[in-house]
This record gives sequence, structure tokens and C-alpha cells, in this order.
Amino acid sequence: RKEVEQDPGPFNVPEGATVAFNCTYSNSASQSFFWYRQDCRKEPKLLMSVYSSGNEDGRFTAQLNRASQYISLLIRDSKLSDSATYLCVVNGPSARQLTFGSGTQLTVLP
Amino acid sequence: GAVVSQHPSRVICKSGTSVKIECRSLDFQATTMFWYRQFPKQSLMLMATSNEGSKATYEQGVEKDKFLINHASLTLSTLTVTSAHPEDSSFYICSASKGGGQPQHFGDGTRLSIL
Repeated sequence: RKEVEQDPGPFNVPEGATVAFNCTYSNSASQSFFWYRQDCRKEPKLLMSVYSSGNEDGRFTAQLNRASQYISLLIRDSKLSDSATYLCVVNGPSARQLTFGSGTQLTVLP
Repeated sequence: GAVVSQHPSRVICKSGTSVKIECRSLDFQATTMFWYRQFPKQSLMLMATSNEGSKATYEQGVEKDKFLINHASLTLSTLTVTSAHPEDSSFYICSASKGGGQPQHFGDGTRLSIL
């Protein structure tokens, strides 16, 4: 089993749609959770951290369920510029290391 | 603004050449930096953890004599791909964290092409 598993994608959605990505992780000791986005041939950039209480940043909402070891990202009112690969990232196996999911590709269509 | 700088961004060289990539933390001290590699359409894979003042910790399957890491100061880690071959062509990215559970910030990455 992969340490971090994501929806395989790809997701092709029209502008304005709402899209949700899911992610599960296997290390129950993980304490930090993030969503990064990676544009084609670029480095990953932090989109948002994920907190236990859930958090929102504009059109983006992240949720964490520690009991189920599950993380989600919701994007509302999709824009063309949201097209990217979204990476679910969990800290571990050591506290300072990060483990990346394989990413979910999103394409927002005009 | 950028907090981690990586250089060079693009390298094209002949097989057998050694290539050095630099990773700098710009406004904080990083006792630990990370080196990743990403092949096309694949996820980032951690290669090694670079520890300031001590030996790097390599992930399973990564040859330490092939990928030399030096972390001589709190703001600079270097990765040298020794005697590079075409199969070493990849996107190499470094990252660093300000610590305390904060997220990692990535350098711009180095696209290495070995002919």
C-alpha cells in the first residue's frame, strides 16, 4: 500500500464547477498535512496547510479526518488558472520528511 | 518571494560529466534540506536528506557515491551528480523548511539532460 494515495484523475471540469480531491495516508503518526500544486515542468508550490478543524482559503477548502486518515481538497468556482497537478503531502516517516502522493491532474475547460 | 533558491535551472551536458546543483535558503537557516527527483508524469521521490555538518541520509536505492551531497553551511546544500549518464536525466528539486512543522518550500528545480 502506498503511504499517500490520491484519486488517480485526471479531472476535466468546466469553468465554474466545484471539484473535490481525496487523499488517504497510512502513517497514523503523521502530524502535518499539506496540499501543493505543481504546474507542468515547475516546482511544487504550497497551496495550503490542512488543519484538524478544517480550513478555507478563498475558493479552496481543506478537510482532515484523522480517524479515517483522510484528507480532502475542495475547489469552488474553478478557474482556468486552477489547471495543475495537486499533490497531497504528509509529513513522515521522520518528522521533517514529506511524503508526496502521486498527484491528481486537474484541467479546467473554458 | 522565494525563500529557497536553486541553481542552475537547466543543465545539458555530455555523458560522463559531473554536475553540481546548489540549493540555498534565502532568509532562514536550514539545518536540514531535502533533495528530490521527479521523472516525467511521476511523483516527487525523496532522494536524500541533507544534514548540516554531517553526512546525508540517503533513501533506499539511491547511490550515495553517485549523488554526492554537501551541506557545509546553514544556508547551502549542494548535490553533485557524478559521471552522469542519460538515465540520470530528470528534474531535481531541493526543499527546506523553517522548522517547527512548517511546510517545506521548494527551489525552482533543475532540469538535467544528459546527452
